[in-house]
Amino acid sequence: RKEVEQDPGPFNVPEGATVAFNCTYSNSASQSFFWYRQDCRKEPKLLMSVYSSGNEDGRFTAQLNRASQYISLLIRDSKLSDSATYLCVVGNTGGFKTIFGAGTRLFVKA
Amino acid sequence: DTAVSQTPKYLVTQMGNDKSIKCEQNLGHDTMYWYKQDSKKFLKIMFSYNNKELIINETVPNRFSPKSPDKAHLNLHINSLELGDSAVYFCASSQDREIRGLSDEQFFGPGTRLTVL
Repeated sequence: RKEVEQDPGPFNVPEGATVAFNCTYSNSASQSFFWYRQDCRKEPKLLMSVYSSGNEDGRFTAQLNRASQYISLLIRDSKLSDSATYLCVVGNTGGFKTIFGAGTRLFVKA
Repeated sequence: DTAVSQTPKYLVTQMGNDKSIKCEQNLGHDTMYWYKQDSKKFLKIMFSYNNKELIINETVPNRFSPKSPDKAHLNLHINSLELGDSAVYFCASSQDREIRGLSDEQFFGPGTRLTVL
């Protein structure tokens, strides 16, 4: 089992749609969780951190389920500019090591 | 101001050559990283340095040697380049909070696209 697994997609959605991504992780001792966004031929950038209590930032909502070891990202009212690859990132204790998932590609179409 | 910079942005070279990629961060961060992103877009950590000390060294061929002359710089030297080394290499940095078992946001450089012919 991979340390961090994501559905690679692609997800093709129309503008205005709501789309959700899930990500599972294998290390139950993981302490830090993030979603990063990577545009084509660009570097990854932090989208949002994921807290135990959940986290909302405008149209984006992230949730953490420790019991089932998954995190989710919900995007409401999708915009064309949301088209990108979304990377699930898990930070493990003991060594500054963060594990990146392979990413989920999202295409938002007019 | 560029927070994390890498040079060169593109690198095309022949098999067997030796090349270096430089990385600098002006964020005052304590930890720096090298990642490799292959053609399948999978981003994999190679090395991590904290305060100039190597703390992560993943299963990477010893042809790859990182060097950190100071906290703000982490360079990557690659000997005897092979076709399979073709990828995008990203440098990143983060503040140091690992003492509390937490990871911090990582700031990435723009990447170096290495092509080995």
